[in-house]
Amino acid sequence: EDKVVQSPLSLVVHEGDTVTLNCSYEVTNFRSLLWYKQEKKAPTFLFMLTSSGIEKKSGRLSSILDKKELSSILNITATQTGDSAIYLCAVETSGSRLTFGEGTQLTVNP
Amino acid sequence: GAVVSQHPSWVICKSGTSVKIECRSLDFQATTMFWYRQFPKQSLMLMATSNEGSKATYEQGVEKDKFLINHASLTLSTLTVTSAHPEDSSFYICSASRERALGTYNEQFFGPGTRLTVL
Repeated sequence: EDKVVQSPLSLVVHEGDTVTLNCSYEVTNFRSLLWYKQEKKAPTFLFMLTSSGIEKKSGRLSSILDKKELSSILNITATQTGDSAIYLCAVETSGSRLTFGEGTQLTVNP
Repeated sequence: GAVVSQHPSWVICKSGTSVKIECRSLDFQATTMFWYRQFPKQSLMLMATSNEGSKATYEQGVEKDKFLINHASLTLSTLTVTSAHPEDSSFYICSASRERALGTYNEQFFGPGTRLTVL
């Protein structure tokens, strides 16, 4: 059975802090790893990672995949209150199936 | 582009009734649609995968006779929760993906979700 585990499950920081969210996986037929941000409604896409060691960056967010360690991290620098959300990691396997982790609830306090 | 809508956005029904949720891809043809369920404080769990014109593939533990999925066209899939009970109360989210070249990622575009409450 495919499995995706995220840590920590929740995190409370102050504005300006840097956070690192972790995702590890055990799946068959790995195709890609994705990060999503979920606020009140459906997830919004952040990154897709397929190759090990190549950092993807978007503003204050960045992510990298380590296929040897079967893991990925999502970094957010200079956090803002608007970054408060649930961050979901998902692994895509054959048939475009996505297996999601439990998510990390990030709270950024002013 | 790549917008997915769901209707209704929320629904409250009595126990024992059936509820239909629609998922539409508004500006692209979705070869595959996915249905997920999310309970409070939990992650998204894939319920089933449906391809246009064929029967849906259900995940282990999901009752196909209770959660009827129809994918009659390339822009519409429906999920019907039959004889709903309070334990079916959840956030139901669909996603749609379109045909891409071999070896490229079939990005899933998520709908806004439908919150079902069964009394």
